[in-house]
Amino acid sequence: GAGVSQTPSNKVTEKGKYVELRCDPISGHTALYWYRQSLGQGPEFLIYFQGTGAADDSGLPNDRFFAVRPEGSVSTLKIQRTERGDSAVYLCASSLDRDTEAFFGQGTRLTVV
Amino acid sequence: GQQLNQSPQSMFIQEGEDVSMNCTSSSIFNTWLWYKQDPGEGPVLLIALYKAGELTSNGRLTAQFGITRKDSFLNISASIPSDVGIYFCAGHQGGSEKLVFGKGMKLTVNP
Repeated sequence: GAGVSQTPSNKVTEKGKYVELRCDPISGHTALYWYRQSLGQGPEFLIYFQGTGAADDSGLPNDRFFAVRPEGSVSTLKIQRTERGDSAVYLCASSLDRDTEAFFGQGTRLTVV
Repeated sequence: GQQLNQSPQSMFIQEGEDVSMNCTSSSIFNTWLWYKQDPGEGPVLLIALYKAGELTSNGRLTAQFGITRKDSFLNISASIPSDVGIYFCAGHQGGSEKLVFGKGMKLTVNP
């Protein structure tokens, strides 16, 4: 596609449930990033993929969060046993390679009730 | 998590006025980037700075990478209504690919 696509755009889930958020990067982009943006804050880094491997997952807040990119394109961010504090906009970005401009998707707004 | 110190937090200006915003850090950054975010959208890159002391312009936007590598500013000249949005500074440290963002500055332009 022309840009980074994230689905769903909105997700409401109950506390304790499992959710998956999907990111389709720009075709040919080898680097993929996940960020989380809480209300009134800047995005905060979660994880960075170069190809299929997670090159830096230091931003994942705890072991309830996990992300995969099995074929080096689409990525899924998985959150287990969701908590109300997980409510935020989850942003995905991709870049042609490391050290090149990253383009952001529109984000998935996750609300845990 | 770590965030850059961005100020001011918000500004209300009249169309045609100039506006300045800045970002500081207690530690050194190797790149400084300025993004704009509209409601319901992801951030869009405006200007990227790669060298200490670098001054770069993009249309009505001018940004500088501070000589100490711990600060940056962004100026917008002759503001127009479509400049409304939230502006973020961001940067890379060391060899890390992750971006550290400021809290953002909300700009309102009155026509």
